[in-house]
Amino acid sequence: DAGVIQSPRHEVTEMGQEVTLRCKPISGHNSLFWYRQTMMRGLELLIYFNNNVPIDDSGMPEDRFSAKMPNASFSTLKIQPSEPRDSAVYFCASSLVPGSNQPQHFGDGTRLSIL
Amino acid sequence: ELKVEQNPLFLSMQEGKNYTIYCNYSTTSDRLYWYRQDPGKSLESLFVLLSNGAVKQEGRLMASLDTKARLSTLHITAAVHDLSATYFCAVDFSRGSSNTGKLIFGQGTTLQVKP
Repeated sequence: DAGVIQSPRHEVTEMGQEVTLRCKPISGHNSLFWYRQTMMRGLELLIYFNNNVPIDDSGMPEDRFSAKMPNASFSTLKIQPSEPRDSAVYFCASSLVPGSNQPQHFGDGTRLSIL
Repeated sequence: ELKVEQNPLFLSMQEGKNYTIYCNYSTTSDRLYWYRQDPGKSLESLFVLLSNGAVKQEGRLMASLDTKARLSTLHITAAVHDLSATYFCAVDFSRGSSNTGKLIFGQGTTLQVKP
């Protein structure tokens, strides 16, 4: 089975530009999570969805960040405008229904560099 | 505050030696996960621990959970170079009707096994 698929794998852009990261969860998984990983702050949960509905976005750093999940097989994380401090690896993960006790499955991540 | 703390954060060890990584968490939970991350790669699920006294083993790695002490350990037996990676523990603090599957991750322990 295909795992969590993220695109692009790498993104380099100049500050002020809009950045869109994409994620396709594992088919049948009802929960989707967006994380950011940096050396300084470690792995941070940004937002998560259950059944396409955003449940907790308290980890979203600023209004410049937004996330959507229009259907069960696709989610986006958008940064507009981007800043150099947004440079990080962004992971998407999915899991079965909440309470299934199954682990989250992570995608390969998007390595984002804002110049 | 919901916190997960690992120690040590960095571990350099010789091949063939044994060692233990500790994961402490701040409040009641009986769902804990261990992940492995190779440099520049995604996170891979290693163990799911779902009850007090749970013990799981895979090869040279063994994980256990003591919910009363709020402590999980990841024990490495006769380390080999291939085990070099960063290991994360993650705790699901949600339960009951608010069961969300949201994980709080520890800082990670970087293990370096030297020949």
